[in-house]
Amino acid sequence: KAGVTQTPRYLIKTRGQQVTLSCSPISGHRSVSWYQQTPGQGLQFLFEYFSETQRNKGNFPGRFSGRQFSNSRSEMNVSTLELGDSALYLCASSLRPVATNEKLFFGSGTQLSVL
Amino acid sequence: AQTVTQSQPEMSVQEAETVTLSCTYDTSESDYYLFWYKQPPSRQMILVIRQEAYKQQNATENRFSVNFQKAAKSFSLKISDSQLGDAAMYFCAYRSALGAGGTSYGKLTFGQGTILTVHP
Repeated sequence: KAGVTQTPRYLIKTRGQQVTLSCSPISGHRSVSWYQQTPGQGLQFLFEYFSETQRNKGNFPGRFSGRQFSNSRSEMNVSTLELGDSALYLCASSLRPVATNEKLFFGSGTQLSVL
Repeated sequence: AQTVTQSQPEMSVQEAETVTLSCTYDTSESDYYLFWYKQPPSRQMILVIRQEAYKQQNATENRFSVNFQKAAKSFSLKISDSQLGDAAMYFCAYRSALGAGGTSYGKLTFGQGTILTVHP
């Protein structure tokens, strides 16, 4: 079974641009969560989607948004990029919502650099 | 809000020796889950071990075991017979239990991480 796939692996953007990151969960998994990892702030929760509905959202500005498609694939979008958005963005999937104590499976992340 | 603290930015151990990574957390909740994740250079987070707060028995997974002290809010990870492949960043994480009235049941709260180096 294929693991969680995140594309692209690396991305370079300039300030003010927008970016879309993609996450394909493990086959059959319906929950997708996103985390931002930076050296200064560590790992922070962005949001969780289950069956195309956002279930939970972290403390990030409205520039960060996401969605989930009927095949459970998820995208997150960051508009008007700032230098501080440079980070590793990790996606995790599970069979059911995280709150039901399902085990999370993580992808290898997308490294975003904002210049 | 819950917080997780890992006070050791870096640790090192000789191959075949034992090392303990520390983690403390702060919460007012009575039911929750604690985790240790490993992040190797590939960047993929891998679950090492999980502990349910209502269980007094410490969790064990092969060479990995925890010392869970609920009253002290401490959750340390012991790695026995360390191997070169254990070298990675280790994160301690917290999650509220569903139905316990917690505010973070749908997400993980992570510590800052501990870089573990294994010397041959």
